[in-house]
Amino acid sequence: GQQLNQSPQSMFIQEGEDVSMNCTSSSIFNTWLWYKQDPGEGPVLLIALYKAGELTSNGRLTAQFGITRKDSFLNISASIPSDVGIYFCAGQRSGGSNYKLTFGKGTLLTVNP
Amino acid sequence: GAGVSQSPRYKVAKRGQDVALRCDPISGHVSLFWYQQALGQGPEFLTYFQNEAQLDKSGLPSDRFFAERPEGSVSTLKIQRTQQEDSAVYLCASSLVPSAVYGYTFGSGTRLTVV
Repeated sequence: GQQLNQSPQSMFIQEGEDVSMNCTSSSIFNTWLWYKQDPGEGPVLLIALYKAGELTSNGRLTAQFGITRKDSFLNISASIPSDVGIYFCAGQRSGGSNYKLTFGKGTLLTVNP
Repeated sequence: GAGVSQSPRYKVAKRGQDVALRCDPISGHVSLFWYQQALGQGPEFLTYFQNEAQLDKSGLPSDRFFAERPEGSVSTLKIQRTQQEDSAVYLCASSLVPSAVYGYTFGSGTRLTVV
């Protein structure tokens, strides 16, 4: 099935560094969501974005809804060891299938203390 | 309950065996979803229930996959005659509203390994 293009696939950083990751699509989404998945757990919602150009923060996390509505970005500032995990973007379309989420393949983040 | 509960957490099945995976959604959530997550991939949509009605089963990979939610709460995903390609984590999610606009709450998943 279709998955969004998410990059980078993995990142290995030092504690305290900032992190950026992004997600692109060939089609427009109505809503962009960012999830984090820890090993052996289900994805947990971090941030939701509803409007093109919107910039939303949640603590050290900041996400943006791209102007074209075909992309989104997630930044994590001053990373800490508990930021380790897999980060997924997900898009939701309006209309008849608005209950479905299309996910990216994920960005694996490793933070070296 | 406080969250979405899935059981079993792990299942090893011999090829050809039937399996049943259970999902207890958050109480009062009308929408229930099943997603399949292969190793190294993001979750992919399988099926959607609104109360007891299965409104979309377009993501089920084959007719060996069957899902039900007979009383509008607990759901079961059944896989008949399991194959190695069925090995994956099966995630259940629920939502208060019939839309993904606010995201879903996911369970911890059932990891199925077919040997």
